[in-house]
This record gives sequence, structure tokens and C-alpha cells, in this order.
Amino acid sequence: KQEVTQIPAALSVPEGENLVLNCSFTDSAIYNLQWFRQDPGKGLTSLLLIQSSQREQTSGRLNASLDKSSGRSTLYIAASQPGDSATYLCAVGGAYNQGGKLIFGQGTELSVKP
Amino acid sequence: GAGVSQTPSNKVTEKGKYVELRCDPISGHTALYWYRQSLGQGPEFLIYFQGTGAADDSGLPNDRFFAVRPEGSVSTLKIQRTERGDSAVYLCASSYTGVSPLHFGNGTRLTVT
Repeated sequence: KQEVTQIPAALSVPEGENLVLNCSFTDSAIYNLQWFRQDPGKGLTSLLLIQSSQREQTSGRLNASLDKSSGRSTLYIAASQPGDSATYLCAVGGAYNQGGKLIFGQGTELSVKP
Repeated sequence: GAGVSQTPSNKVTEKGKYVELRCDPISGHTALYWYRQSLGQGPEFLIYFQGTGAADDSGLPNDRFFAVRPEGSVSTLKIQRTERGDSAVYLCASSYTGVSPLHFGNGTRLTVT
């Protein structure tokens, strides 16, 4: 059974710092991996999607990497801003055409202090 | 609408009652998902629709939970004989196909007293 773990559970950094969020998964047979952002009381916003054949994806100040063989993904946030404060969730999809049937980690709650 | 819409945003019900939660996906999206999120946890998969049919309902916790999507658009999640343990945020998501990125609604917060 696939299990997804995110470390740390919470992180507080000063504005401007570069930071890395970690995600690990137990079964390397994944179809894709997604990183989401969740603001309090809101749904999830997709940040980056990495297909199993890819190693990384970039969007603005965000970069996500994927190492299937070791069961790890990282989300790198450059030059963090207070507006980046939110919970970040990692999720893996296990099968083609069920890319939306995701197994989520428990999230990392990020706080960026001005 | 521009995004996935879920109604109501909040629902408080008494133990043992029946509730219905509604999801309006993005127009044209064929795939629709229901997830449940407990406090401090990531969402857990409940059921996946491709068109009108439930392609995968393996996440439904028991037979008190049922979902429909009769015309391949709006979906309703139905919970019978609610229990306090059903209290959670119920999230709906849709995608253009089963391999496209998901778009989530803001969820329905269900509280069973």
C-alpha cells in the first residue's frame, strides 16, 4: 500500500529565505506526482505536476524534483514571501487514466515571517 | 462557472441524519473526484467518476456513503445515518480527462453533532 510522508510537518522562515520541502513515498511505481498549496478554509491549488518520466518541473520561484528510484520529491521555493504562507501537500498518482486518484501526504504548514 | 463549486460550504447535522453534498465541476470536465480531509491530514480519496459512471469507488468507507453523477456533470455525495466520525471537509475535484491536473473546490465542512 502506497504511503506518502512529508517532513517537516511545520516550518517557519524569515522572508527572503530559500527553502526545501520534502516528500517521500514507499512504492516507486507511480504515474505522476503533484504538489498542491492549500490556504486555510480553501481547496487545493495545483502548483506543479511531474510525470513519472520527468525529473523536475519549474514554475516561477518554485522547482519540484522527482527521484522515483529513491521514492523522494522536493519542492524548492526561492526567495520566500509572506504570501507563500500556506500548507503544501504532496500527492502521488498510481495509474494511467486515474491520475486524479491521488495518495496525499499530511502536508507541511509553511509560515514566512515579514 | 470559472471553477469547481461546492454547496453548501458548511453543514451541521445531528447524528443519524441524512445529508447530501453537491459538486458542480468545471464545464466540460469528464472526470470528477470526491475526497475527504480530516483536520491536520491530507485528503483521502473516496470515489472517481468518468462521465456518468463510478470508475472507482474503493475509497468509500462503508455502505452509508453513496455518490451519483446522473448526467455526467453535477455530482451529489450522499451520507446516510451520519456519525460523529463523518465530520470532515469533503472536497470535490474535476479534470478534463483522467490524466489532466485536478481543480479542487473549496469543500463542504460537515459537522455531525
